[in-house]
Amino acid sequence: AQKITQTQPGMFVQEKEAVTLDCTYDTSDPSYGLFWYKQPSSGEMIFLIYQGSYDQQNATEGRYSLNFQKARKSANLVISASQLGDSAMYFCAMREFYNQGGKLIFGQGTELSVKP
Amino acid sequence: KAGVTQTPRYLIKTRGQQVTLSCSPISGHRSVSWYQQTPGQGLQFLFEYFSETQRNKGNFPGRFSGRQFSNSRSEMNVSTLELGDSALYLCASSPGFGANVLTFGAGSRLTVL
Repeated sequence: AQKITQTQPGMFVQEKEAVTLDCTYDTSDPSYGLFWYKQPSSGEMIFLIYQGSYDQQNATEGRYSLNFQKARKSANLVISASQLGDSAMYFCAMREFYNQGGKLIFGQGTELSVKP
Repeated sequence: KAGVTQTPRYLIKTRGQQVTLSCSPISGHRSVSWYQQTPGQGLQFLFEYFSETQRNKGNFPGRFSGRQFSNSRSEMNVSTLELGDSALYLCASSPGFGANVLTFGAGSRLTVL
């Protein structure tokens, strides 16, 4: 069963506007972490934001925020004030803490294009 | 400080050959994990090493192997290469086993002809 689902293969957003990238997950582990990574065309995965399953507040990192809805098992990434440099692939990932070490399970990704 | 360094960045091999990829983690990081990225299968976990021991392994055939040295540098080896092994191989390091954030390298892009 797919554990991380990103339903938007591609998204377009106008520069300076906000955009939401969707991510839903499935796990029976009560303790887990959710991550978003950005992958530009160069290939390197860049960490953006992290949310723990027991965190009470939504995570924020600069222009990035994570809309965490635990009951709905969703962890959407919100990018505010989009910039041309935000054009890239975005991956949602999960780590199940019980006996899984640092293993990340990734979604299929969303390709974001920012239009000038 | 220097990030995660992967070598070589690009390589071309033929079917049946073997390949060794290298990963130097961030200084002080002791955990290294490897991922394979292909257009069809996406990002898949290969294995994780901590203190020279494999701590976790993904669902890949035995042709895929790895090791970690005492200085935390890691290598992965793929023997008897198949066309389907063409992929971007990403290495990530973290301070310890199970640490929250992984820092990735730029990857090694392998093409099998």
